Order: sequence, then C-alpha cells, then structure tokens
Amino acid sequence: QKEVEQNSGPLSVPEGAIASLNCTYSDRGSQSFFWYRQYSGKSPELIMSIYSNGDKEDGRFTAQLNKASQYVSLLIRDSQPSDSATYLCAVSPGANNLFFGTGTRLTVIP
Amino acid sequence: DAGVIQSPRHEVTEMGQEVTLRCKPISGHNSLFWYRQTMMRGLELLIYFNNNVPIDDSGMPEDRFSAKMPNASFSTLKIQPSEPRDSAVYFCASSRVNGGKLFFGSGTQLSVL
Repeated sequence: QKEVEQNSGPLSVPEGAIASLNCTYSDRGSQSFFWYRQYSGKSPELIMSIYSNGDKEDGRFTAQLNKASQYVSLLIRDSQPSDSATYLCAVSPGANNLFFGTGTRLTVIP
Repeated sequence: DAGVIQSPRHEVTEMGQEVTLRCKPISGHNSLFWYRQTMMRGLELLIYFNNNVPIDDSGMPEDRFSAKMPNASFSTLKIQPSEPRDSAVYFCASSRVNGGKLFFGSGTQLSVL
C-alpha cells in the first residue's frame, strides 16, 4: 500500500488555540489529498480536500499542500472541544483509490 | 437520502467460522470500497469496485478473503475460515467514479474468538 505517515499523537491544545496536524506521503505522483475526521466509535467523514499547491480555507479549517516536499497539513483555528477526534490524512494516487494514514488523535481542552 | 448501509453492526464468531459482511452503497454511486480498521494498522484498503467490477484487490490479506458486487446496490465481503487476527472494524464506502469524496457506512465490528 502507498505510505501515508501521520504522528499518532495524542495532540492536546487548549480551547481557542490553533491545532496543527501534519502528514507526509511517499507516492510523488499522488493527485488528490483529503482530511477526514473520525469521532470515537464512528465512521470517517470528509472535512477538507485539496488538489494543488498552496492553502485552501474553509471556515476554521485550512489545508496546506506542498507537493515538492510531499507534505499536507491541516490547521484548525479557534479549536473547540467538539473538534476532539482523530484526524485522518488520505491520499489518492489516481485511479479512484484512496490510502489513509493511521490518524492523529486531537484533544481540545476546555 | 439514505447513506451507505452496512450489516451487521456487530458480529461475534468463533475461529474457523464463515463471516459475511454486507453493504448497500448510496444510489447513484458507482465506486465501492471495503476498508479494515485496526489500532495498529489504521484504515487499510482491501478492495474497490468501479461499476461492479473489481479494480484493485491487492489489499486483500489472503485467499480467505473474498468480495463480490453482483449489482450496483449490493456488495459482500466474506471471510472463510475466520481467524482471531481478522478482528477489526470493517467499513464499506462509496463514491462517484473520480469523485474523490468517500461516504462511509457505520462499519461492522467483527470479533473472532
């Protein structure tokens, strides 16, 4: 399987702070990049997608992509306790398949 | 609109027994994926189908695992015989071809004793 690496955490941040989640991938030909959120005991849900180098913002979430460094990140501004979950980085090398990292567990402390 | 439907939600079985997991994708989605999730290995892609045809089954761990998609609205993942190391959460997901966004079912928690 294509390698997608994430720091498993746990990552703890105080409420209102910025949470920074990072991901690296091995397949230089990868085309599409996603961040999924998974609450404990639930299924993953898509929160961000990014396809080209640079930043993409959606509300409190910003995804950043650097294909030269094979690096994807997710910033969560004004973190809330409801953001506490495991965040999964996913990479698609094309052909409609998708490979996931093992996830980073985030805890936002009130 | 109903999401991806998986059954059963929980399955407890004994080593050596056959296990069949079922999935109904979202209507109109023509790609279907089976994933397995464990603490140690995270979400592993087992197999995926486009338009009911298996495209990549390289993630299927061994011959004990098989998957079918007889029509656009139904897929099964079968393990025969099951082993304790197969214990995991099995997710089914669907998407439009080349759509990128996967919608996951609620998963099947499998425990093989």
